[in-house]
Amino acid sequence: QVQLVESGGGVVQPGRSLRLSCAASGFTFSYYGMHWVRQAPGKGLEWVAVISYDGNNKYYVDSVEGRFTISRDNSKNTLYLQMNSLRAEDTAVYYCAKDGFCSSTSCYPNHFDYWGQGTLVTVSS
Amino acid sequence: QSALTQPASVSGSPGQSITISCTGTSSDVGGYNYVSWYQQHPGKAPKLMIYDVSNRPSGVSNRFSGSKSGNTASLTISGLQTEDEADYYCSSYTSSSTRVFGGGTKLTVL
Repeated sequence: QVQLVESGGGVVQPGRSLRLSCAASGFTFSYYGMHWVRQAPGKGLEWVAVISYDGNNKYYVDSVEGRFTISRDNSKNTLYLQMNSLRAEDTAVYYCAKDGFCSSTSCYPNHFDYWGQGTLVTVSS
Repeated sequence: QSALTQPASVSGSPGQSITISCTGTSSDVGGYNYVSWYQQHPGKAPKLMIYDVSNRPSGVSNRFSGSKSGNTASLTISGLQTEDEADYYCSSYTSSSTRVFGGGTKLTVL
């Protein structure tokens, strides 16, 4: 069964850095794009970033462009989010999510079919 | 990268049907058949309910259905049950290869 397990969250001061990890199992990680999605306390979902299956293509929401970097290690089945210059408004639960699925005949991308349980990042002095 | 527009709340009685709308632009909802819907119960991760506008993943009740007209997508839940009470979010692929969510809709089953 598909499992996504995030780690690396915690309390960090404004301006500092943090790296999140997402360990994947139960599917062929190197076949699929992967996303980070966040949810501030009491607020809605916000898409953060996506990385292609091979790591060659990356896209970000404007608010994190230049501060956050998404990456992956297909040999370790792990997704990362390097977060620099953190701000109070980055406080949220961060989820990793798998991008769609492939059947024996076709692939269906561009939705989030499995999610991790989330890891909380709190940016506060 | 503006959020898609959803009603803040909807409500219905058990057995009734409700519809949640999700309005975007021609650069997202209207331009692609990559609208998806997610259910989130308090303290839980979101769950995929509909993908590619109207497709249900295996295991999702056929009481959930999706559609799209122009720049507006819709999620309909028929035969409301108490366990349907949750937050619902739409999402779309965009012309910038990014993704965008709606602001979320709180469904109350009276």
